[in-house]
Amino acid sequence: KAGVTQTPRYLIKTRGQQVTLSCSPISGHRSVSWYQQTPGQGLQFLFEYFSETQRNKGNFPGRFSGRQFSNSRSEMNVSTLELGDSALYLCASSLTGQATRELFFGEGSRLTVL
Amino acid sequence: AQKVTQAQTEISVVEKEDVTLDCVYETRDTTYYLFWYKQPPSGELVFLIRRNSFDEQNEISGRYSWNFQKSTSSFNFTITASQVVDSAVYFCALSGSGSARQLTFGSGTQLTVLP
Repeated sequence: KAGVTQTPRYLIKTRGQQVTLSCSPISGHRSVSWYQQTPGQGLQFLFEYFSETQRNKGNFPGRFSGRQFSNSRSEMNVSTLELGDSALYLCASSLTGQATRELFFGEGSRLTVL
Repeated sequence: AQKVTQAQTEISVVEKEDVTLDCVYETRDTTYYLFWYKQPPSGELVFLIRRNSFDEQNEISGRYSWNFQKSTSSFNFTITASQVVDSAVYFCALSGSGSARQLTFGSGTQLTVLP
């Protein structure tokens, strides 16, 4: 079956702009999580959605937001971009999102902020 | 707070050598889950194994094996007879019952297998 699909794969923005990233989970998966990966901070949890509800949020400023649609697809938005937001943004899906379940990751959206 | 430490930043081995990747974790949860993921150059993280805190039985799967020791808070991963295709970044991760649905990752170990 199809894996986790993230779009766009690459994008370049300038400081102050905003960006929206999209994630389509594996069919049947209802939990979607987002992670930010940077060389300096590594992999950091952003937030997790289940059935259109945000269940958990990482330690990121309010400029980072997300949502999940009824078909489990998810989007994350970053407003007022800063240079430090340059990163690989990874989306992951799981069947239920329980702590015991493994996550299935997409290839990520690589954001460069100039 | 949870923490995962992968002290080895980079490891380079020659094909067919065995290699062990170290992982040490910290958590106050009595029930927790440990994972290993592999990240090839394409970017996606690929799940390798999950271990529950109450199951210390070690596991072998093909060329992969895992050594979980609660007494030392370690969850090490060994690749036997390494191959060039094993070259990737390997991440150890932790999920606690108190922080369900959120993985805490180590900083990763870049493994390079030379032909």
